[in-house]
Amino acid sequence: QVQLVQSGTEGKKAGASVKVSCKASGYTFTGYYIFWVRQAPGQGLEWMGWIDPKSGRTRYLQKFQGRVTMTRDTSINTAYMELSTLRSDDTAVYYCAKEGELSLDYWGQGTLVTVSS
Amino acid sequence: SYELTQPPSVSVSPGQTANITCSGDKLGDKYTCWYQQRPGQSPVLVIYYDDKRPSGIPERFSGSTSGNTATLTISGTQPMDEADYYCQPWDSSSYVFGTGTMLTVL
Repeated sequence: QVQLVQSGTEGKKAGASVKVSCKASGYTFTGYYIFWVRQAPGQGLEWMGWIDPKSGRTRYLQKFQGRVTMTRDTSINTAYMELSTLRSDDTAVYYCAKEGELSLDYWGQGTLVTVSS
Repeated sequence: SYELTQPPSVSVSPGQTANITCSGDKLGDKYTCWYQQRPGQSPVLVIYYDDKRPSGIPERFSGSTSGNTATLTISGTQPMDEADYYCQPWDSSSYVFGTGTMLTVL
């Protein structure tokens, strides 16, 4: 069965960076894009970007350009999302999700990132 | 940027039908999917391609699109359906989510 397992909770200081991992299993990792979505406390879902695990090609939402880097390691079926220069409003749960048929059909369990000043 | 509007909340009695709408410019030109998010859990895909249900999603969930509005319909709503629901038109130029609707079953 398809599973996306993310790394654990992170607590960071403002200005630092965080790197979240997303390990995929149960399907061909290089066959589907991985999307990253975040959700601030009590707020809605916000798309951040995606990575094509096969080519490494990425696309980021403009508001994150210059601060976010999405990478992958196909040898261990894992995608990564690194966000730098953290601010307090980056406090959120970060999700990875697998591309489905014009949708996101499987989601990771989420990684809480808390940024303190 | 592309904006999508959902009602902040919808209330329904158990066994009744709930309709959750999602409005956006030229929404009918895109395929829309819907996600259910129960408190403290990850989103779950409940509708894709406007009206298709993934395996394992109950038949009481259905979707439709007309003009600039997509609608998620839950027939015979059950208490377990109480959750936040988000629409997402699939558009390779922007992957915006709707503002979300809290469904209360009471």
